[in-house]
Amino acid sequence: DGGITQSPKYLFRKEGQNVTLSCEQNLNHDAMYWYRQDPGQGLRLIYYSQIVNDFQKGDIAEGYSVSREKKESFPLTVTSAQKNPTAFYLCASTLRVALSNTGELFFGEGSRLTVL
Amino acid sequence: GQNIDQPTEMTATEGAIVQINCTYQTSGFNGLFWYQQHAGEAPTFLSYNVLDGLEEKGRFSSFLSRSKGYSYLLLKELQMKDSASYLCAVRDYNQGGKLIFGQGTELSVKP
Repeated sequence: DGGITQSPKYLFRKEGQNVTLSCEQNLNHDAMYWYRQDPGQGLRLIYYSQIVNDFQKGDIAEGYSVSREKKESFPLTVTSAQKNPTAFYLCASTLRVALSNTGELFFGEGSRLTVL
Repeated sequence: GQNIDQPTEMTATEGAIVQINCTYQTSGFNGLFWYQQHAGEAPTFLSYNVLDGLEEKGRFSSFLSRSKGYSYLLLKELQMKDSASYLCAVRDYNQGGKLIFGQGTELSVKP
């Protein structure tokens, strides 16, 4: 079945360590996104990519990095420069917006990162 | 910039009707989405409005007024499983078509 797969589901990290969250989709979607969600808050955009080998910063990109070498994959690295990395991270993808589709986001199951 | 406002939390009774409001300000409106998110899970798509009016889908309906920058999500015949967070999101074509999310409304359905 088509979908978005995030891994790991739970991750613990010591301060000062970098960690990479995986996001893979087999929906043939063009655009991919990374959001961060803190308790009781909405989703905040970290990075997004609308095409392979290109990506843009979202609203809270500091301390994060991404790559988009393949259409199917959009990994997110949480670096040691991110001051408060403990959060729920959601990856999403969408087709390009066109008359034939609403362009809604399809989400992965999320990765919960805890910094010890 | 963009600003999306929703009530933080609401409580309703099983079997009743509840309306969750969302107001927004954006320079390049290109569609409004409602998502449902259960605790610890990914958001799931509920509805999409780009033209004024009401879109009905089973027990859920969503309304949009572009001139007022206003939308609501209407849930009928509430069930306990409807207890979740409801996220309003606006697509802005001046921001590369990305979705901007509100903080979400936590709905608690009581017996």
